[in-house]
Amino acid sequence: KNQVEQSPQSLIILEGKNCTLQCNYTVSPFSNLRWYKQDTGRGPVSLTIMTFSENTKSNGRYTATLDADTKQSSLHITASQLSDSASYICVVSGREDSNYQLIWGAGTKLIIKP
Amino acid sequence: NAGVTQTPKFRILKIGQSMTLQCTQDMNHNYMYWYRQDPGMGLKLIYYSVGAGITDKGEVPNGYNVSRSTTEDFPLRLELAAPSQTSVYFCASSSNRYEQYFGPGTRLTVT
Repeated sequence: KNQVEQSPQSLIILEGKNCTLQCNYTVSPFSNLRWYKQDTGRGPVSLTIMTFSENTKSNGRYTATLDADTKQSSLHITASQLSDSASYICVVSGREDSNYQLIWGAGTKLIIKP
Repeated sequence: NAGVTQTPKFRILKIGQSMTLQCTQDMNHNYMYWYRQDPGMGLKLIYYSVGAGITDKGEVPNGYNVSRSTTEDFPLRLELAAPSQTSVYFCASSSNRYEQYFGPGTRLTVT
């Protein structure tokens, strides 16, 4: 069964600290992996999209890594800010033509404390 | 550009009632999608459209209907609302198979 599992479910860190969120998937075949940020009460916003040939991709203080062999991805946040408080969702696409068959993880809820 | 807009923001329905969730995008995107997000779960695709006049079922279409008469609008119709349809509904649009732009969501409660 195609699944995307994220850990931890929730995480609390102090402002200025770094953190890493994990994503494991069993989706096959694999086309691309995406990370989204979802603020409370808002829709998801895309952070990064990686194909199987990409190992790492950065977007400002966000750096995503992908290991297609072990089917794992991580999202590293550097020097966290209060505005980073949100849910971070890992999404895997199993088909080249697909925004129609995305497998969404349940997300990691990140809380940044001052 | 307003992006993707959704109305209403909140709605409470009684069991058996019907309603339409509105979605409009001003980015001239061909692709549009409806998702539902239940607490602690990943988003589930309800319906999608690849252009005006073309719609198709997603993973969880039962109890819903859609239409796409224009590029801009993609309304979602709930007939005979049931408590299982209590959820947050997101509309999204895209111009390609990668990026998706989401609306702010509609929080629906069926009691």
